Amino acid sequence: KAGVTQTPRYLIKTRGQQVTLSCSPISGHRSVSWYQQTPGQGLQFLFEYFSETQRNKGNFPGRFSGRQFSNSRSEMNVSTLELGDSALYLCASSLFVYPGDTGGGQFFGPGTRLTVL
Amino acid sequence: QQQVKQSPQSLIVQKGGISIINCAYENTAFDYFPWYQQFPGKGPALLIAIRPDVSEKKEGRFTISFNKSAKQFSLHIMDSQPGDSATYFCAASNNNAGNMLTFGGGTRLMVKP
Repeated sequence: KAGVTQTPRYLIKTRGQQVTLSCSPISGHRSVSWYQQTPGQGLQFLFEYFSETQRNKGNFPGRFSGRQFSNSRSEMNVSTLELGDSALYLCASSLFVYPGDTGGGQFFGPGTRLTVL
Repeated sequence: QQQVKQSPQSLIVQKGGISIINCAYENTAFDYFPWYQQFPGKGPALLIAIRPDVSEKKEGRFTISFNKSAKQFSLHIMDSQPGDSATYFCAASNNNAGNMLTFGGGTRLMVKP
């Protein structure tokens, strides 16, 4: 079974631009979560989508948004990019409603490395 | 507010030794505690996870010890190998918050041959 795929793998943008990142979950997984990873702040939860509905949102400004399609694929968008948005953006998918549900876990993709100049 | 505190930040262990990484949490609503392993250029990979109704879980060379009263849990890597050199993250979640994971700050493990 193919793992979580994320595109593109690397992206360079300038301040003020917007960017869209894509994530394809493992086949059959309906939950997709997004995380931001930086050296200073570590891994931080952005939001989770389950069956096309945003179920949870982390403490990020409204410039960060996302959506999920009927095939469970997800996109996240960052508008008006700032230098501090430079990070590795990770997508994770899960088969289960929540991680502890019958022992299920989240599986991460390789991430998209975003650099804002 | 950091809800999951992880220590140490870095760890050097000799091949064959035991690696121990500790985490402490504040939110008593957390009910699922996974550990992830991350190699450079890769996403985190789920290693092992535990729920608070058990005090220990073992999978191969990896063991989680859980102390509910102290709100602490730890990862033990027995017979550490150079291939175990990676960054390890503990995490916690609350089933009322879906799949949202709160991560510790990470521990960079180096196993010397």
